[in-house]
This record gives sequence, structure tokens and C-alpha cells, in this order.
Amino acid sequence: SQQGEEDPQALSIQEGENATMNCSYKTSINNLQWYRQNSGRGLVHLILIRSNEREKHSGRLRVTLDTSKKSSSLLITASRAADTASYFCATDYNRDQFYFGTGTSLTVIP
Amino acid sequence: SQTIHQWPATLVQPVGSPLSLECTVEGTSNPNLYWYRQAAGRGLQLLFYSVGIGQISSEVPQNLSASRPQDRQFILSSKKLLLSDSGFYLCAWNAGGSGYTFGSGTRLTVV
Repeated sequence: SQQGEEDPQALSIQEGENATMNCSYKTSINNLQWYRQNSGRGLVHLILIRSNEREKHSGRLRVTLDTSKKSSSLLITASRAADTASYFCATDYNRDQFYFGTGTSLTVIP
Repeated sequence: SQTIHQWPATLVQPVGSPLSLECTVEGTSNPNLYWYRQAAGRGLQLLFYSVGIGQISSEVPQNLSASRPQDRQFILSSKKLLLSDSGFYLCAWNAGGSGYTFGSGTRLTVV
């Protein structure tokens, strides 16, 4: 299966700490995306990193991609209670299709 | 700007009843459209995707079907719902090779 797998499944941290989530996948990709989902809502696109990129930043988010290890990480710095959500990685099966992992549930304690 | 509308937000249907969920996109033309299902506490399962009117690809054989009668309209249907069809259904679109934009989802409970 092309589906990505996030690790850990659940993460609980104090406000102000950094949160790191990892994603591993099985076959070669063109790009990898990270999404956020608040409880009972649709997913929101956070960041896309292409296979020829190693690191990308967006505000307090930092994404790395290691194609040799077939893995990616999402770092949220200086976390806030509002960052509490589930985070998913998605890898492309082909140009028109992406497969999602099972997600990491992040809880930021005020 | 591009927006995606999905309705209804919640739905409770008896086993054996039909289903029709609608998704429409505004502000873009010829989008790739997708239906995903998310079981409680799980990841997203791709059900159907469409790259154009009348073009539907199915990822998982099941009790559901999809149709794309217009460029910006994508419909998920079932003739007879099963208990296992319960879940959170999400419509999404992308312009090809970029991030998805998701609808707000429909929570379907089959009783």
C-alpha cells in the first residue's frame, strides 16, 4: 500500500513546547503533504513538500523530507492550545491521487 | 476564490434506504474531485475520484457509487445503505499536483 503511516498515534504536550510528528511511506513519491483536522471537521492543507526538497517552513511549521528513508516529519514550534487537532500526511499515488495515513492526534495542554 | 460546498452536514438514515450526498465547487473549472470516507478515529479512505464530467474511478468496490453530472458537481450515492456505510464523508478537489481543498464533511449514521 502507498498509504503513509504517522507516528506517534497520539501526542500530548504542554503549551509552549514543540511537537514533532513523523510519517513513513513505502514507495517513491512526487510530493508529500501535511493536513490538519479539527474534531468533526474537514481537513485543512498545511504544507506541501516536493520530492526534490528537503525542508520547508511555514510560520511555526517546519517539514522535512528524507526520500532515502521514505519519511517526513512535521514540527510545530511553540505550540498553542489551538494547535490541538489531528495531523495527517498524504503521499501521492500519481498526479491525481493522494493517500492519507491514519493521523497523529495532538493535544496541547494550556 | 475557490470554495467547496458539501451537504448535508449530518444525516441519519435507516438500513436499506438510499443515499445522495452532493458536493459542488465554485471558482474553478475542470477540477479533480474526490470522495473520501473516514471511520471514527481512523485515516481517510479514498472512495472515488473524477478528472472530468462522467469520468469516475473507484478505489474500493463497495455499496456506494459516484457520479459527476456537471463539471463542478460530484455526487455520492447508494441504493441501499448498510450499517457499515456509517462514517464521515469528505469531498475534496485539487487542481492537479497541489494540495486538496476539503469540504466540511457529512456525518452519516446508518441505524
